[in-house]
Amino acid sequence: SQQGEEDPQALSIQEGENATMNCSYKTSINNLQWYRQNSGRGLVHLILIRSNEREKHSGRLRVTLDTSKKSSSLLITASRAADTASYFCATCLGPYNQGGKLIFGQGTELSVKP
Amino acid sequence: DAGVIQSPRHEVTEMGQEVTLRCKPISGHDYLFWYRQTMMRGLELLIYFNNNVPIDDSGMPEDRFSAKMPNASFSTLKIQPSEPRDSAVYFCASSLAKSGRAKYEQFFGPGTRLTVL
Repeated sequence: SQQGEEDPQALSIQEGENATMNCSYKTSINNLQWYRQNSGRGLVHLILIRSNEREKHSGRLRVTLDTSKKSSSLLITASRAADTASYFCATCLGPYNQGGKLIFGQGTELSVKP
Repeated sequence: DAGVIQSPRHEVTEMGQEVTLRCKPISGHDYLFWYRQTMMRGLELLIYFNNNVPIDDSGMPEDRFSAKMPNASFSTLKIQPSEPRDSAVYFCASSLAKSGRAKYEQFFGPGTRLTVL
């Protein structure tokens, strides 16, 4: 099964509200990353959190990581219609030069209504 | 900076034909990844290269798929012969992980939407 599983699969909110997406994984990780994909486009990296970090911020994004529960959450505050996209978590088991690679979850489809 | 470039953006072909997808990574990046995205299976890593050398091809579905990276600025993913179940969006991504602290962020191209009839 998938290393990363996301919840919910779909989320619909009003502009200005906060959006929270969750990701659970199964094995120990080196880092966890979140990506955004707009319809018909490639993925765009949003934020990376290392296994020894618990929380990280970037603009309106807040990511938390709980390695004891093997879970992460992405919070988007004061959402905008332009935030409408699919959001993916990706777990990285180790450095790429040691065979590490990204394993993506199935994604959360976020719809922000104006 | 042009970003990762993929061509063609769309490809429609008939079953049994050979398909070649192309990717130009970001200049200076030393890792290149090929992914496939479908509704059923999500985003799957097919193969990745480090300094033009294939590191892990365990995600390549079968012998009909092959990938090459003849130099640092070009890679191809070939499907021969193609089948309808190969229909998907294929993404190329690159990353810079050398010289000092490892960097894990991947930069994705716009993808090639492949339809096999």
